[in-house]
Amino acid sequence: EAGVTQFPSHSVIEKGQTVTLRCDPISGHDNLYWYRRVMGKEIKFLLHFVKESKQDESGMPNNRFLAERTGGTYSTLKVQPAELEDSGVYFCASSRLGSYNEQFFGPGTRLTVL
Amino acid sequence: QQQVKQSPQSLIVQKGGISIINCAYENTAFDYFPWYQQFPGKGPALLIAIRPDVSEKKEGRFTISFNKSAKQFSLHIMDSQPGDSATYFCAASLGAGNMLTFGGGTRLMVKP
Repeated sequence: EAGVTQFPSHSVIEKGQTVTLRCDPISGHDNLYWYRRVMGKEIKFLLHFVKESKQDESGMPNNRFLAERTGGTYSTLKVQPAELEDSGVYFCASSRLGSYNEQFFGPGTRLTVL
Repeated sequence: QQQVKQSPQSLIVQKGGISIINCAYENTAFDYFPWYQQFPGKGPALLIAIRPDVSEKKEGRFTISFNKSAKQFSLHIMDSQPGDSATYFCAASLGAGNMLTFGGGTRLMVKP
């Protein structure tokens, strides 16, 4: 079974540019989560999809961040325009529906905004 | 306000020793407490998890101790090995399928 995949693995952009991160969850996993770790701090929740619907987007920092999940499969996270404080590692995780199922994490996308 | 506080930030242990990482949480409604292990260049991977209805859970060399009244839980790694060198994160969640709230992470180095 393939794990959670994320693309790209690294992205370096200038302040003000746009970047789109992609996450492909494990097949059959209806839950999809985005998290972010900034400069050695804790991993923070951004949002949670159940299938194609946003279940919880309380962690999204501001309206420069837009997440979508087309057809309940892969998800994209767009940052537009990027700011310096958006730098960090963005993780995607997926899990099956149901009680306390393990969240499987992707390898992350390291975003650097210059 | 950080809801899950983890200590220490870094830890050096000799091979064969016991590694202990501690976490404290604020929200008494949390009902699932996993520990994740992360190697460089990889995403966090679930190591072991506990629900608050038990005080201890052991899987191989890894044990979670849980103290509900103190709102604390800890990870013990017995007979620590160099291959255990990684970053460890404690986490907590509220209800099934919900977001994880992470501690700040502990970088563990096990010296040969």
